Amino acid sequence: AQTVTQSQPEMSVQEAETVTLSCTYDTSESDYYLFWYKQPPSRQMILVIRQEAYKQQNATENRFSVNFQKAAKSFSLKISDSQLGDAAMYFCACYTSGTYKYIFGTGTRLKVLA
Amino acid sequence: GAGVSQSPSNKVTEKGKDVELRCDPISGHTALYWYRQRLGQGLEFLIYFQGNSAPDKSGLPSDRFSAERTGESVSTLTIQRTQQEDSAVYLCASSLISGIDEQFFGPGTRLTVL
Repeated sequence: AQTVTQSQPEMSVQEAETVTLSCTYDTSESDYYLFWYKQPPSRQMILVIRQEAYKQQNATENRFSVNFQKAAKSFSLKISDSQLGDAAMYFCACYTSGTYKYIFGTGTRLKVLA
Repeated sequence: GAGVSQSPSNKVTEKGKDVELRCDPISGHTALYWYRQRLGQGLEFLIYFQGNSAPDKSGLPSDRFSAERTGESVSTLTIQRTQQEDSAVYLCASSLISGIDEQFFGPGTRLTVL
């Protein structure tokens, strides 16, 4: 079975500081993709960053980067220079091509303190 | 349209009634997904359409749930004989070709079963 685990229900970070959100996953498939999605309060879910499992290089999108440890099945999200607009629920997700299934974690609520 | 739309935005129904939820994906998007998000929880994957076909329907919670897609466009999720545990936000998303692509989410339908 495919699982995605986010062990931090809630995190806080001071504005302009750096925060890391944890995610671990488990899949027996070899072809999979990992994602971080952001769900701001009362707003729609949007993609933050995407990582192909076959790529060793960690994905980066401006202030957002991932630490992808394939052997450990870990996929953490680092947010640098945190901004008030980063406050949201963050979901880690795994898609496996062989099963056509998308599995999301339970989410981490990020609070940004001014 | 510019984004994924869902209707209705809110639906209140009585236990035992049938409901139909609609999703209009972004024009040209081949892949379409349905999720259920219970209050304060993560996304539960329900079903994925590639074109008009759903390769795997095992994510649907029970045989009261069914979904279809026509014309590689609009999709409907039908819940028969609704139960109180069906109360949740039902999210639809679409992506250009498949699950490896970015998903664009709709605003959701909030279903309340009394």
